[in-house]
Amino acid sequence: AQSVTQLGSHVSVSEGALVLLRCNYSSSVPPYLFWYVQYPNQGLQLLLKYTSAATLVKGINGFEAEFKKSETSFHLTKPSAHMSDAAEYFCAVSKAAGNKLTFGGGTRVLVKP
Amino acid sequence: DADVTQTPRNRITKTGKRIMLECSQTKGHDRMYWYRQDPGLGLRLIYYSFDVKDINKGEISDGYSVSRQAQAKFSLSLESAIPNQTALYFCATSESGVGTDTQYFGPGTRLTVL
Repeated sequence: AQSVTQLGSHVSVSEGALVLLRCNYSSSVPPYLFWYVQYPNQGLQLLLKYTSAATLVKGINGFEAEFKKSETSFHLTKPSAHMSDAAEYFCAVSKAAGNKLTFGGGTRVLVKP
Repeated sequence: DADVTQTPRNRITKTGKRIMLECSQTKGHDRMYWYRQDPGLGLRLIYYSFDVKDINKGEISDGYSVSRQAQAKFSLSLESAIPNQTALYFCATSESGVGTDTQYFGPGTRLTVL
């Protein structure tokens, strides 16, 4: 069975500071990995995804994530936080294209001025 | 117009009542999903459908049922609602086939069972 662990349910960063959200996964097969973002009172939207191509994946809004197989990690980063980055972020894994997603518990990001 | 819509957006009901949540999509996708979101638990899959004739249970299907009325419509029912079904419910869609792994989410339905 697959599982996803997001370290830290809440993260607080200052505007302009680095955003780092941690995600570790377990999967019996090479995984497909995703980061989704949920803004207040909205559904989830895709930030970026890893599907066995380049290990450094660039997404929307300046976010990127690096797939590290040896560490079973897919951490999300953004060099400089903006107030508009305040949201909840979810890491997810699936076994194959178009397959079911297993989500982590989510990390809520607060951005301080 | 939104590609994935959910109705109602908010619902308050009482224990024992039957509730139906509806999802419609204009994306032309074959695959549809129902999730519930609870604080600290992320999203958990309730049911999914890979086409109109294919319905599958997810990890937390007990107490729920679904109906895929057409490619574009996928409804979730709570036959007899209970308080621990209070949650935010999301519908999602995706294409089928290689390289079609992104899921598209509706805005959610907030359900409160008293």
